[in-house]
Amino acid sequence: NAGVTQTPKFQVLKTGQSMTLQCAQDMNHNSMYWYRQDPGMGLRLIYYSASEGTTDKGEVPNGYNVSRLNKREFSLRLESAAPSQTSVYFCASSDEQYFGPGTRLTVT
Amino acid sequence: KNQVEQSPQSLIILEGKNCTLQCNYTVSPFSNLRWYKQDTGRGPVSLTIMTFSENTKSNGRYTATLDADTKQSSLHITASQLSDSASYICVVGANDYKLSFGAGTTVTVRA
Repeated sequence: NAGVTQTPKFQVLKTGQSMTLQCAQDMNHNSMYWYRQDPGMGLRLIYYSASEGTTDKGEVPNGYNVSRLNKREFSLRLESAAPSQTSVYFCASSDEQYFGPGTRLTVT
Repeated sequence: KNQVEQSPQSLIILEGKNCTLQCNYTVSPFSNLRWYKQDTGRGPVSLTIMTFSENTKSNGRYTATLDADTKQSSLHITASQLSDSASYICVVGANDYKLSFGAGTTVTVRA
């Protein structure tokens, strides 16, 4: 039982490049979430998925897209990365918020 | 706007001592209040979750209190250990399941 896993752990992108952050959970949870964490600020919700087949915008969705591929997997895509998207990204599952280990993204 | 304010921003304590972290919130309507522990380089881990009707909840050496009237919560760490060095995050849930996160209090425990 791995809980919530995220790949990659670290990533460096150039401005304008695209990438997808992967998240998977093996706890059979319906809801999944993507957050970003910036220094001195609380976690901010980017997108969430209340159940398989549904996704909704959170507080800071601009510049991101998501896909709820199945009940286990919820991916976050940056179509054209910007320096303002440099952050640590966390995936979580369940209303009780089980968090993954995070992806540290730097956009230069 | 829903807000969660935590204090202090950081603190240093000696191993074996106690400390108390504060959380004030303006989230409405209130559903629940959570405390998470986040070790450096890792994701947050839940310590306690309290609903409106609960005013205290413990998890080992961690005790959270809630005063829903004054919209304040505290997290008390008893007999601190080096492994308690982490960021502690207060999170308040609203009735529409949205969560508001505080910026966290960084605790450093020194031997």
